[in-house]
Amino acid sequence: GQNIDQPTEMTATEGAIVQINCTYQTSGFNGLFWYQQHAGEAPTFLSYNVLDGLEEKGRFSSFLSRSKGYSYLLLKELQMKDSASYLCAVDSNSGYALNFGKGTSLLVTP
Amino acid sequence: SAVISQKPSRDICQRGTSLTIQCQVDSQVTMMFWYRQQPGQSLTLIATANQGSEATYESGFVIDKFPISRPNLTFSTLTVSNMSPEDSSIYLCSGGGASGGLETYNEQFFGPGTRLTVL
Repeated sequence: GQNIDQPTEMTATEGAIVQINCTYQTSGFNGLFWYQQHAGEAPTFLSYNVLDGLEEKGRFSSFLSRSKGYSYLLLKELQMKDSASYLCAVDSNSGYALNFGKGTSLLVTP
Repeated sequence: SAVISQKPSRDICQRGTSLTIQCQVDSQVTMMFWYRQQPGQSLTLIATANQGSEATYESGFVIDKFPISRPNLTFSTLTVSNMSPEDSSIYLCSGGGASGGLETYNEQFFGPGTRLTVL
């Protein structure tokens, strides 16, 4: 099975940097995903990590360490529109369906 | 990225009735999935929609309650049968994989969801 843990809520200031952590216990997976979901909207894909290390995409970066069962999403130069829920998910070795954590609700304040 | 649409976007239904949700992808995808998201919660996988064969259901979900069809690589339906208020939720479909459409297996794209309320 897969047990994925994220903080429930975080608050950060506009312009700052925030790191959202995700820890997991799983028997095996292909890769780890991060999605952003604004209230009332569908999740949108942010990043996918297969190998250990940092993947950078503009203001967003995602890190994976398989040996530590740990990932984080780093958001730089925070904007008010970044207020959303951030979902960590893993797929599996046997298929591509996603198992999601409970999500982290991020509030960006002025 | 793929564009995924769902119909209806929302519905209010009576207890004991059934509702079929349609999911359409604008490009061929290998994999299609159905998820449920209860208010304030994360997404829970219901099943993998397999083209030409029976869907693969996750623990706690059964075919009699959630029959799924997938006649081709761009379309799937989920039926919520004999509904009760506990079925009130958002139902989302997603597509992923590459078959002349998406570039990689790595990305899954979600439809906008169907908000179901059962009275």
